[in-house]
Amino acid sequence: SQTIHQWPATLVQPVGSPLSLECTVEGTSNPNLYWYRQAAGRGLQLLFYSVGIGQISSEVPQNLSASRPQDRQFILSSKKLLLSDSGFYLCAWSVNRDQPQHFGDGTRLSIL
Amino acid sequence: GESVGLHLPTLSVQEGDNSIINCAYSNSASDYFIWYKQESGKGPQFIIDIRSNMDKRQGQRVTVLLNKTVKHLSLQIAATQPGDSAVYFCAESTAGNQFYFGTGTSLTVIP
Repeated sequence: SQTIHQWPATLVQPVGSPLSLECTVEGTSNPNLYWYRQAAGRGLQLLFYSVGIGQISSEVPQNLSASRPQDRQFILSSKKLLLSDSGFYLCAWSVNRDQPQHFGDGTRLSIL
Repeated sequence: GESVGLHLPTLSVQEGDNSIINCAYSNSASDYFIWYKQESGKGPQFIIDIRSNMDKRQGQRVTVLLNKTVKHLSLQIAATQPGDSAVYFCAESTAGNQFYFGTGTSLTVIP
């Protein structure tokens, strides 16, 4: 069966520090991968998605970037965090864009 | 962008009763819908999906109803249990494009 792992579960970072969140998927090949941010009381906001290694599409302009160095690895990064980057970040995978997305358990990011 | 919303932000039901959670969408071209359950501190969990060529789909203790005429989606949970307490939200997409997610309804089951 397929599983998705995100880490760390929680992270506290100072403003201006770099960020690297990692997501890996097991049990499937060439998945579509997604990064979302979930703000309290708001729906999930798609940040990035990838249909293959090295292929990244960005949905919103922001202080973040994403990379897919391996087939089942998706990384969310920032060179300098802003206070507004605080939130709950979720990684998801799907077989293709017309199939359900399956989510990891997220990273709670707090910027101080 | 799309508008996907829920009629009620909170819902409380007695254990054993049936629960109905509603969702409205605005894009008449939306053709794929998913319900997710999210427990505190965890990621959303897929419950059930339905495509626009259907108006009803059943799973284990759950039923999704789709009314395309009024652009309304509902999730029915039979014999609600304490473990069903969570936030439920719908998501919709059109022609394989990105999903748009609702803000969620918080379901509380009273023992």
